[in-house]
Amino acid sequence: QSALTQPASVSGSPGQSITISCTASSSAVGGFQYVSWYQQHPGEAPKLLIYDVTKRPSGISNRFSSSKSDNTASLTISGLRPEDEADYYCCSYKSGPTWLFGGGTKLTVL
Amino acid sequence: QVRLVESGGGVVQPGRSLRLSCSASGFSFTTYGLHWVRQAPGKGLEWVAIISFDGSSDFYADSVKGRFTISRDNSKNTLFLQMNSLRTEDTAVYYCVKDEQMIAFDYWGQGTLVTVSS
Repeated sequence: QSALTQPASVSGSPGQSITISCTASSSAVGGFQYVSWYQQHPGEAPKLLIYDVTKRPSGISNRFSSSKSDNTASLTISGLRPEDEADYYCCSYKSGPTWLFGGGTKLTVL
Repeated sequence: QVRLVESGGGVVQPGRSLRLSCSASGFSFTTYGLHWVRQAPGKGLEWVAIISFDGSSDFYADSVKGRFTISRDNSKNTLFLQMNSLRTEDTAVYYCVKDEQMIAFDYWGQGTLVTVSS
């Protein structure tokens, strides 16, 4: 079981907003200030969406946003589009160093 | 643009060795740390190892410590992963990934598949 827990799946209709949570266990919470999010379409490499909790790399739509409160980070996708259907992973840096990934969430756009 | 191209994957028997390579271009190779991240078939992502920009420091996931070695050749813009004593559970797509300030993986290669099977 991952130290970062994500829901296995979420779904939404085009135009709606969805939120994916990422909850850190007690063993992972210590480094939970550096949270990043990745999108992975089938057969493709992951792509960085969000880093340092809330920052978006150049070229990433502002439809993607993130927040963090205590031991839970959340990725929100607004104005859902069919192309948003993918797997989403949270990740946290932990001193060691080591990096922990969540188990991934499959987003279905209905 | 940043480009990372992995090679060296294939089918190998348990207990044997394999060496992966990653050729990089489009950024100042000698300035950035680099990671290997893997993904077992149908499973999630797992961080494997990191090497510092100059190769002086490296760190590993517990699952590969003592068996895998990450290295780099800054004269050839190439990253390596030497994998020894391979196990069936090492079967995965291995991604070469550029580090961003130790807090994100900002560019990924397309991955190379390693299958450990008898």
